[in-house]
Amino acid sequence: KAGVTQTPRYLIKTRGQQVTLSCSPISGHRSVSWYQQTPGQGLQFLFEYFSETQRNKGNFPGRFSGRQFSNSRSEMNVSTLELGDSALYLCASSSGLAGANEQFFGPGTRLTVL
Amino acid sequence: ILNVEQSPQSLHVQEGDSTNFTCSFPSSNFYALHWYRWETAKSPEALFVMTLNGDEKKKGRISATLNTKEGYSYLYIKGSQPEDSATYLCASYQGDSSYKLIFGSGTRLLVRP
Repeated sequence: KAGVTQTPRYLIKTRGQQVTLSCSPISGHRSVSWYQQTPGQGLQFLFEYFSETQRNKGNFPGRFSGRQFSNSRSEMNVSTLELGDSALYLCASSSGLAGANEQFFGPGTRLTVL
Repeated sequence: ILNVEQSPQSLHVQEGDSTNFTCSFPSSNFYALHWYRWETAKSPEALFVMTLNGDEKKKGRISATLNTKEGYSYLYIKGSQPEDSATYLCASYQGDSSYKLIFGSGTRLLVRP
């Protein structure tokens, strides 16, 4: 069974630009969650999608948004990039809701904002 | 604000030593506690998901316990090996109006041969 895949793996953008990250979950998994990790911080929850609906959202500004498609693939968008958005973005999939089930993480997208 | 605390922040042990880490979380509105292992240059890997007070889970030399009433979980590694070197993360699934998975900052374990 293929694991969680994320594209792209690395990305360099400049301030003010916008970016879209993609996550393909394990086949059959309906939940996709997104996390941000910055140096010195733990994983910060961004949002969770389940069956195309956003279930929960973390404490991030509205510049961070996401969506999930009918095939469970998910995209995350960050508009008007700021330097502080430089981070590792991880997505994770699970068969049921993320809180009650173990999550399988992708390799991450390393975003650098210049 | 929901905070998940892990201690110690880092730990250096000798091969063969047994060790344990602590994860503290708010005991109210709790649903589940997760443990993950995160090796350098890899993705976090799930170890356990526990929900019930008094739960104990084991995977090989690694085990975990859960106390939901007082809001803590312990992770134990018996006979540490160099390949156990990683950051161990716990995460609590809880909330008030909406539930979220909240991660601690992790315990970084280094096992010396």
